[in-house]
Amino acid sequence: GQNIDQPTEMTATEGAIVQINCTYQTSGFNGLFWYQQHAGEAPTFLSYNVLDGLEEKGRFSSFLSRSKGYSYLLLKELQMKDSASYLCAVRDGNYKLSFGAGTTVTVRA
Amino acid sequence: IAGITQAPTSQILAAGRRMTLRCTQDMRHNAMYWYRQDLGLGLRLIHYSNTAGTTGKGEVPDGYSVSRANTDDFPLTLASAVPSQTSVYFCASSGGDTDTQYFGPGTRLTVL
Repeated sequence: GQNIDQPTEMTATEGAIVQINCTYQTSGFNGLFWYQQHAGEAPTFLSYNVLDGLEEKGRFSSFLSRSKGYSYLLLKELQMKDSASYLCAVRDGNYKLSFGAGTTVTVRA
Repeated sequence: IAGITQAPTSQILAAGRRMTLRCTQDMRHNAMYWYRQDLGLGLRLIHYSNTAGTTGKGEVPDGYSVSRANTDDFPLTLASAVPSQTSVYFCASSGGDTDTQYFGPGTRLTVL
């Protein structure tokens, strides 16, 4: 199985930057995913990293270090609509996806 | 249909009853998955299917069964529901270059 850790909650101000960290231990590694989930809705795909480094997609960026078992999701220019849960998920050597419990981000005006 | 649909949206069920949650995708993805999501525990894999005609057990398969008769449909059956199966159930399918999983809207199930 996998061990995936991420903070439970984070609060930030509109327009600010927030970084959500994720650490993992896995048997085999075939990629790391970040999903966004608004309350009462399905998870939606945000980003995918399989090689070390930074992937940028508009206001969202995701970083991966495979040797450290570490990733972060960076949310810039926060908007109220970014208030949601963010899920870190790791795909193992058997190509199965395991999820962290999620980080609830609250954006304040 | 665009993407993945699930039915019903929500259901209240008496313990001991049989229930089938439906999932259909139109993306021609080979792989499909069933997860349950409980507060504080995140998404946990129940069963999966890598291709039509094959299924496999995930992390929490007990009390659930699946079938995959064709590419599009992946129903999840609770043979005799128990209160601990109260949860939100998400179906997903994966495909494309990165084999990313995409989720259906979910079914909220309450077993009394």
